[in-house]
Amino acid sequence: AQSVTQLGSHVSVSEGALVLLRCNYSSSVPPYLFWYVQYPNQGLQLLLKYTSAATLVKGINGFEAEFKKSETSFHLTKPSAHMSDAAEYFCAVSPTGRRALTFGSGTRLQVQP
Amino acid sequence: GAGVSQSPSNKVTEKGKDVELRCDPISGHTALYWYRQSLGQGLEFLIYFQGNSAPDKSGLPSDRFSAERTGGSVSTLTIQRTQQEDSAVYLCASSLAGSGSTDTQYFGPGTRLTVL
Repeated sequence: AQSVTQLGSHVSVSEGALVLLRCNYSSSVPPYLFWYVQYPNQGLQLLLKYTSAATLVKGINGFEAEFKKSETSFHLTKPSAHMSDAAEYFCAVSPTGRRALTFGSGTRLQVQP
Repeated sequence: GAGVSQSPSNKVTEKGKDVELRCDPISGHTALYWYRQSLGQGLEFLIYFQGNSAPDKSGLPSDRFSAERTGGSVSTLTIQRTQQEDSAVYLCASSLAGSGSTDTQYFGPGTRLTVL
């Protein structure tokens, strides 16, 4: 079964610093990959998705992610963190032929002033 | 337009009682999903409806859990004889469900279920 692993349950950065949230997938074929964000007491919001087109995917709020098949990775980055980026971030995979998402365990991002 | 809505937002119940959770998907979305978010298990898929096809129930944790979708729109998730381990946030999502597996799923705010 396809799965994703998020390294680091908590990440803390300073405002203005680079944000890097790690996600590795396990799959024999390139899957469809997603990053979602969850703000406190809210549902999940899609940041970006990889669907086998361009390997560098740009999303909302200045986030982007690069699909690297050789590393089986789909890390999320943002050049400069804002206080409003504080939230929990989930990487997810959609197994080929099946629509339900399999989520990673999540990474809580804290942004320090 | 309106997003996915869920009700109630919070539900507190006693162990052994039955509960019903409701989801109103985005109008025109033919696919509907239920997920559960808990501290111990993270985000787990429960069940998936696509149009008039038989639902994919492969994520339901026990036969105490069931769901239906009436008229291809509103869905109800029912948990019978609730247990304390059922305490979680239940999230509903919907998508247009065109071809392939890349439809964006839009999530509702969730129902927080607490079983005492």
